Amino acid sequence: QQQVKQSPQSLIVQKGGISIINCAYENTAFDYFPWYQQFPGKGPALLIAIRPDVSEKKEGRFTISFNKSAKQFSLHIMDSQPGDSATYFCAASRQGGKLIFGQGTELSVKP
Amino acid sequence: ETGVTQTPRHLVMGMTNKKSLKCEQHLGHNAMYWYKQSAKKPLELMFVYNFKEQTENNSVPSRFSPECPNSSHLFLHLHTLQPEDSALYLCASNRTGGAEAFFGQGTRLTVV
Repeated sequence: QQQVKQSPQSLIVQKGGISIINCAYENTAFDYFPWYQQFPGKGPALLIAIRPDVSEKKEGRFTISFNKSAKQFSLHIMDSQPGDSATYFCAASRQGGKLIFGQGTELSVKP
Repeated sequence: ETGVTQTPRHLVMGMTNKKSLKCEQHLGHNAMYWYKQSAKKPLELMFVYNFKEQTENNSVPSRFSPECPNSSHLFLHLHTLQPEDSALYLCASNRTGGAEAFFGQGTRLTVV
């Protein structure tokens, strides 16, 4: 019940396209759902996060869609750029506690 | 920079060596974490400290020994490691009850 399942494992998108990464969770007590971006040789960095009281959050080209009833959330990257090529992790936590991470998605944006 | 600093950035050690990883944050956070990141695997939470007290140990082998002398510093002492322990070790911190966690850049450990 503590797991967060992420898909796909890897994703190749053309420049200007939309990248979509999906996550699903079981524990309905989770109340914070962040997405982290990790470049090679770096630690993960917070990209965008959402709480379950809203269904969507947008920051620039990045949007989180949240479906509470389905226990799913997804990251959409609009107008994907080669600089977006990185590994993306979804995560979930409860009451500010430890983060439970998904398996990660390696995104490659081709010029 | 995230405000979480890890040293060293790279470490190569033999199976009989003893070494330590260091993590430091001056963000005023009181929760600190060690994660292990292996190739093609999700981040694995190893240890959690809140206000210097260990609150979680996720069945980590005893060859990994954490130490948290104060809320700003976290160590991971390593001894008699195995080659399969080679990975990126990440430290993170946040406010207890606060959501966003900040990660260091990690220590790339290779056990030979």
